[in-house]
Amino acid sequence: AQSVTQLDSQVPVFEEAPVELRCNYSSSVSVYLFWYVQYPNQGLQLLLKYLSGSTLVKGINGFEAEFNKSQTSFHLRKPSVHISDTAEYFCAVSKAGGTSYGKLTFGQGTILTVHP
Amino acid sequence: DTGVSQNPRHKITKRGQNVTFRCDPISEHNRLYWYRQTLGQGPEFLTYFQNEAQLEKSRLLSDRFSAERPKGSFSTLEIQRTEQGDSAMYLCASSPQGVYEQYFGPGTRLTVT
Repeated sequence: AQSVTQLDSQVPVFEEAPVELRCNYSSSVSVYLFWYVQYPNQGLQLLLKYLSGSTLVKGINGFEAEFNKSQTSFHLRKPSVHISDTAEYFCAVSKAGGTSYGKLTFGQGTILTVHP
Repeated sequence: DTGVSQNPRHKITKRGQNVTFRCDPISEHNRLYWYRQTLGQGPEFLTYFQNEAQLEKSRLLSDRFSAERPKGSFSTLEIQRTEQGDSAMYLCASSPQGVYEQYFGPGTRLTVT
């Protein structure tokens, strides 16, 4: 089974400052990793994913994340945030391959609040 | 591409009543997933379909829950004899065969009074 821990439940930050949202995972098998964003009263939108290849992945809206296998982490970063980035962010994993591929296990979420 | 749609968006029901939610996936997405999200938590997997076949169900899905996808297109999730603990956001997602990212609908928020 897989599990995901998002280390911060809330992250307040000022506009144009950098931000890092932390995610650690646990799994006995190879996994794929995802970050989703959820705006109020909306569904989840994929920000970026790591399946294979370069451990630094870039996503939409200027976000990027780095897969670190030795530390089992997949932290999300943005060098300069905007007010519009205020939302809840979820880290998720799925087993790589097998019959249950695609089933996502999510972390508890991190609420990012960007202040003017 | 109209995205994943879910109906209704909100449902208030009294304890003990039955409720049914509908999910329409993106056209030609053969995988469909149901998740439940309670306040302050991330979504939890409930079940998924490949075409009309239900391939996996979570232990979270008690006997009061049933899901169908009769023609491999839309899906329904029914909860019988609702309990207050069923209050949550029910999310549906779909994906094409062999693609790992899922596309989520806006969810159905259930409140059991």
